[in-house]
Amino acid sequence: GQNIDQPTEMTATEGAIVQINCTYQTSGFNGLFWYQQHAGEAPTFLSYNVLDGLEEKGRFSSFLSRSKGYSYLLLKELQMKDSASYLCAVVDSNYQLIWGAGTKLIIKP
Amino acid sequence: GAVVSQHPSWVICKSGTSVKIECRSLDFQATTMFWYRQFPKQSLMLMATSNEGSKATYEQGVEKDKFLINHASLTLSTLTVTSAHPEDSSFYICSARQGDYEQYFGPGTRLTVT
Repeated sequence: GQNIDQPTEMTATEGAIVQINCTYQTSGFNGLFWYQQHAGEAPTFLSYNVLDGLEEKGRFSSFLSRSKGYSYLLLKELQMKDSASYLCAVVDSNYQLIWGAGTKLIIKP
Repeated sequence: GAVVSQHPSWVICKSGTSVKIECRSLDFQATTMFWYRQFPKQSLMLMATSNEGSKATYEQGVEKDKFLINHASLTLSTLTVTSAHPEDSSFYICSARQGDYEQYFGPGTRLTVT
């Protein structure tokens, strides 16, 4: 079967750094997405990785290791508005998105 | 660019009635559109995938006769919840894909069935 694992919830302090991990086992791999979803809203795109390595975009970075079936999303200089759920999703061999359950990130002052 | 709209953004209906939700890609042609459902504090659940001009492919456990999907054009897909019941109350989100990868999400429709 196909499986995406993420921690259910994480807590971090404003101004700090947090790393949200995602491990996956899927039938094929055509890339991995990270989305941010605030409560009551639709997901918004954060990053897409298809090759190994680190992709940096402002305060957010995403890392991928295909051999390990592993990715992480790194958030720096945390702000209160970063409190949201972060969804990891893998594109499988049929170009379908396989979704993780999401990680709820709580930012404390 | 890559904007997807949904209408309505929220709807309340009585049990037994039908509700239609529209999903439009405003500035691009979507080869494929997806319909998701999300219950509170849960992740997105894919309901069906639709390609323009062909029948939708439903995920296991999703009743195709209850959730009617019509993908009439490259910019419009509709989801009709027929004979809605309170357990159908949820957040319905569509997304549109241009090419093979990224999906652009609509803002979602919150359905409450009383």
